[in-house]
Amino acid sequence: NAGVTQTPKFRILKIGQSMTLQCTQDMNHNYMYWYRQDPGMGLKLIYYSVGAGITDKGEVPNGYNVSRSTTEDFPLRLELAAPSQTSVYFCASNKIGTGTDTQYFGPGTRLTVL
Amino acid sequence: GQQVMQIPQYQHVQEGEDFTTYCNSSTTLSNIQWYKQRPGGHPVFLIQLVKSGEVKKQKRLTFQFGEAKKNSSLHITATQTTVVGTYFCTGGNEKLTFGTGTRLTIIP
Repeated sequence: NAGVTQTPKFRILKIGQSMTLQCTQDMNHNYMYWYRQDPGMGLKLIYYSVGAGITDKGEVPNGYNVSRSTTEDFPLRLELAAPSQTSVYFCASNKIGTGTDTQYFGPGTRLTVL
Repeated sequence: GQQVMQIPQYQHVQEGEDFTTYCNSSTTLSNIQWYKQRPGGHPVFLIQLVKSGEVKKQKRLTFQFGEAKKNSSLHITATQTTVVGTYFCTGGNEKLTFGTGTRLTIIP
């Protein structure tokens, strides 16, 4: 299993540009999450999904959109990039209800908005 | 909503000294998980605690879940440079809320 994969690894955007951060997991996990981590800070939940077709907001959803059309994929969309969105973005997944709700994280996407 | 706070936020210890970080929740948790993030890396699962008062050990790491299931601690004995990183706790529900993290650095 590849686990959780994220693309791209790095990206520089100009203010106002848009982009999609890709996230895929091959572990048949029902739950998927997007977090952002600002330098030296903790993880803040942006959006999460409990299964295909179902998404919900986390702590900091403004400026982002998500979709979950399949179990495997959970892309994160930035429509109008702003400098405040400069951060490292982590996608994670887990399988709730199996006794150990371990979250598996992807390697992250480092985004800079100039 | 649920808030998870960790103290201290930063800790510098001399190599060989012990280290403890504490995790406190505003609400009762069904379980608690601990993660470690190396500098430049992503969080990696360490352990999950489920039962009130549970204690688990991993080599020199000891994890404890409070009796009221609202707090937890991670204690590392005789630290080595391999334990450098940020340690996060998270409460167990579908909307996993991470603590602020404790960044541990070692002075050789």
